[in-house]
Amino acid sequence: DAKTTQPPSMDCAEGRAANLPCNHSTISGNEYVYWYRQIHSQGPQYIIHGLKNNETNEMASLIITEDRKSSTLILPHATLRDTAVYYCIVRSRDNYGQNFVFGPGTRLSVLP
Amino acid sequence: ETGVTQTPRHLVMGMTNKKSLKCEQHLGHNAMYWYKQSAKKPLELMFVYSLEERVENNSVPSRFSPECPNSSHLFLHLHTLQPEDSALYLCASSQVGRMNEKLFFGSGTQLSVL
Repeated sequence: DAKTTQPPSMDCAEGRAANLPCNHSTISGNEYVYWYRQIHSQGPQYIIHGLKNNETNEMASLIITEDRKSSTLILPHATLRDTAVYYCIVRSRDNYGQNFVFGPGTRLSVLP
Repeated sequence: ETGVTQTPRHLVMGMTNKKSLKCEQHLGHNAMYWYKQSAKKPLELMFVYSLEERVENNSVPSRFSPECPNSSHLFLHLHTLQPEDSALYLCASSQVGRMNEKLFFGSGTQLSVL
């Protein structure tokens, strides 16, 4: 079962920052937070992941709270092409890929 | 381009047909996966192969038969499927044992069973 809770849907205006929340209150010390997104009928695409420090790459920023019980994915300037389902996943670094468990995610709609 | 290629992109088959889905990864990874995504449902893990050995089978019906001849290729053989098996079938690969392990997905095969 997925160990995360995300809102089912969100809207964001084009050009504005999209902030997608994720709750993972049962996360353990050796579990990473991963974010993927899936554009309609395509395979999920890796976005970013982190353990406890905030992370940034060319796609997004990941903010993890100090107690690690929640995180936020930030798309700084959302475009129409960012419309997708966004998945937040927690996964132990000690286990193999079978522990990438996908929940229902958040459907982000970027509006013109 | 993710480095994981799936063929065919679309497949329509009857319940008595036998078909195969193919996946090839060009990333040098040592693990490959099949996921199923039914309409409006989360991704479900079907099979995992690590170092060419099957390490997980999540109670998938025997009408789905995986084959992993080497670390770069993965097949899903289909026979006597049911209409409820219609779904998007996704292949993924990863490098097991790497601390920052990531899954890389193919574009999927959209399967329709008539």
